Formats: sequence, C-alpha cells, structure tokens
Amino acid sequence: AQSVTQPDIHITVSEGASLELRCNYSYGATPYLFWYVQSPGQGLQLLLKYFSGDTLVQGIKGFEAEFKRSQSSFNLRKPSVHWSDAAEYFCAVVPTGTGNQFYFGTGTSLTVIP
Amino acid sequence: EAQVTQNPRYLITVTGKKLTVTCSQNMNHEYMSWYRQDPGLGLRQIYYSMNVEVTDKGDVPEGYKVSRKEKRNFPLILESPSPNQTSLYFCASSLGREGFTGELFFGEGSRLTVL
Repeated sequence: AQSVTQPDIHITVSEGASLELRCNYSYGATPYLFWYVQSPGQGLQLLLKYFSGDTLVQGIKGFEAEFKRSQSSFNLRKPSVHWSDAAEYFCAVVPTGTGNQFYFGTGTSLTVIP
Repeated sequence: EAQVTQNPRYLITVTGKKLTVTCSQNMNHEYMSWYRQDPGLGLRQIYYSMNVEVTDKGDVPEGYKVSRKEKRNFPLILESPSPNQTSLYFCASSLGREGFTGELFFGEGSRLTVL
C-alpha cells in the first residue's frame, strides 16, 4: 500500500545538538517530497521540498534534507537545534501525475531541552 | 497579506446540528483542500478542489460536503455532525497544476468539538 512513514512519534534533543527526523515513503515512482513544520497553535509551513536534481536540499531555518532513492527516504536534518525549533514536523509526498494530491505522514513531535 | 482564513476557529456543537466552516484565500489559488488532524493519524485529506465547480473526495470524505462556487472560497459543511468528527480542521490552498510549486498555504485551523 502507498504510504508515508515517520517512525519516530516523539524526539527529544538538547539545544545545540544535531537533529535527524526520518521519513520513508512507498510509491511506485519517486514522488515530490516535502517537509512541513507546525508550531503550536498554528497551521503548517513549508520547510523544504525535493522535485528532482541535487539530492541534498536546503530549506528555511537552517534545515536540510537528503533524498535517497535506494532507501525511499527523505530525512530531515539540522546541525544545531534551537529552542524555537520545538514543533511538530510532517513529511509529505505528492505522487507523480496526481497534481496537487498531498499525503502526509503522522508527524514527529520535537521537544528541545535547554 | 497573503493568507488563508478559516472561521470559526473554535466551535462546540451538538450531534446533528448542521454547521459550516468557512475558508477563504486571497492569493488567487486554483487548488484548495480540507484536512483533519487527529493525534497519531497526522493530516488526512477530506476533500479537495482543483478549480471552481471542480471538487473531489480525499481519503476521509464521509460525513462532509464541500462546494466551490467562487475561486476564493471553499466551505466545509457538516450536515449532521457526530462525535467522531471532533477534530482539528485545516484549509489549505496552492497554485494549480500549471504553477505547481509544492507549497500549500494553510489556515490557522478550526477546532471542532461535537458533543
């Protein structure tokens, strides 16, 4: 079945530590790939996206993500986490040929401790 | 300011009492959609619209209706709400296929409780 999997429901990191959030997808062809962030009480905001080309993409707020075709993964990383990064993070895909049809993972909640 | 506006932001209602959650965007976007967010389930699409008078079901359309009579508005209608529709609802919009950038613009959410 087609799916977007975020295996980590909740992650806690110390401020200044590095971060990696995992995302795996199962779709026939490589879909368009996205990471969105949801701050408390807010809607979602686009962090970064991958359509094609360079497999390492840079986003806003110092985030980056790497697409690995062989692993069907699109993991989000940040070298040094700030307290303001505490939020819910969603991986999303748009299967090729579907236009705007977004499918979201279940989210990973990030807690940052001082 | 470019935005997606939802109303109401919070609503408590009773089973069976029809309600409408409005959604309006000022970005001239062709595509609009509704999602519900539930703990442990992430965001699930209810309905979407590729353009005026064009709507289609998402993953969880049961119990909901939508209409798209104008480009800017995409109301979500619960004809007979039930407690399992208690959720946080998000409206989102984006450019259509021709200008697809992958960025969905979200409203701030509408928290609905059905007693």
